[in-house]
Order: sequence, then C-alpha cells, then structure tokens
Amino acid sequence: AQSVAQPEDQVNVAEGNPLTVKCTYSVSGNPYLFWYVQYPNRGLQFLLKYITGDNLVKGSYGFEAEFNKSQTSFHLKKPSALVSDSALYFCAVRDRNKAAGNKLTFGGGTRVLVKP
Amino acid sequence: EAQVTQNPRYLITVTGKKLTVTCSQNMNHEYMSWYRQDPGLGLRQIYYSMNVEVTDKGDVPEGYKVSRKEKRNFPLILESPSPNQTSLYFCASGAGTGGSGGYEQYFGPGTRLTVT
Repeated sequence: AQSVAQPEDQVNVAEGNPLTVKCTYSVSGNPYLFWYVQYPNRGLQFLLKYITGDNLVKGSYGFEAEFNKSQTSFHLKKPSALVSDSALYFCAVRDRNKAAGNKLTFGGGTRVLVKP
Repeated sequence: EAQVTQNPRYLITVTGKKLTVTCSQNMNHEYMSWYRQDPGLGLRQIYYSMNVEVTDKGDVPEGYKVSRKEKRNFPLILESPSPNQTSLYFCASGAGTGGSGGYEQYFGPGTRLTVT
C-alpha cells in the first residue's frame, strides 16, 4: 500500500528565512508527487508536482521541491518565507504502477507558521 | 470561472438520516474524487471516479456511496450516517486524461458535516 509521511506537525520560521517542509513516501512502483496548500477555511490549492525529468520542481508562490528517489523524499522549500505563507501544507503521492489504481494518498499535513 | 462547487457547505444531521452532498465541476474533468479531512489524519480518499459510470474505492469507503451519471457531477451519499462520519469533506476534480496519473486536482470549498 502506498503511504506518505510528513514527520513535522508544525514548522516555525521567521519571515525572510528559508522554509523547508519534509515529505517521504512509499509506493510499489515509481511515484507522481504533489504538494498542496490549505489556507484557513479554504479548500486545498495545488502548488507543484513531480512527474518526470528534472528532480528540482518549481511551483507557485516561489515554492520548489526536490525529488530524491534514493531517499524516497520530496521536500518542499522556499528560500525566503513570508508571513502569508502561514498555512497547512500537504504532500501527496500516486503510484505510476497502474495495478495500484488511481488512488491519491495524502500525508497528515504540516502547519507552517511564519513569524514577522 | 473554473471551479468545483459543493453543497451544502455546512450540515448538521442525526444518526441514520440519509443525506447527499453534491459536487459539480465546470472544467470538463474526467477524474473526480471525495476526501474527508480529520485532525491529525490529513486527507483520506473515500471514492474516486475516472469517468462516467466508473467509480473505485479509496482508502475509507465504508459507509459511503457515490455515483457518476454525468461527467460534471459526483454526489456523495451517506445512507445511514453515524457520528464517526462527522468530518470536513472535500470534492476534487482533475484532468485525468490518457490514463496518466500526473494531473493535479482542483478542490471544492469543503462541506462540514456533523452527525449527532
């Protein structure tokens, strides 16, 4: 069964400092990987995805993520965090192996708090 | 405006009283899905649909039904709701074309359900 782990329930960072949100995954085949963000009282918004090719993926709002196959990780990063980045972040995985169906599995979420 | 709509946004009901949460998308997406969000558990997939008349179980399908009679609509049915189905529910859609799993999803605003 596929799974996603986000080991940190909350990440605190000062505005202007680098932000990293960790994600590791497990699938039987190769993964499609996604990051979503949820602002208070809103639905989830897509940030970025890894499909194939370059391991460094750039997405919305200055976020990027690096796919590391050997470590089965897909950590989300932003070089300089803003107070407006404070939100709940979710990592998700879908197995490329068609035998796994088209299930999308989310991690438990990481709350990011950026302090001025 | 491209969007996923859900109704109702808030619902309080009693155990055993059948209810339906509607979901509609205007992006001509093939893929639609339902999730529930619970504190500490992230989002868990209930059911998904790759196209009209095609539905599959996610990770937590027990106690739920879905149907996909039209491409744009994907209602979630709770035939006999129980208190453990109290949760925040999200509908989502995605392009899902060509059988590739690398598509992002667009989420509705959520439905907060309380079963007493």
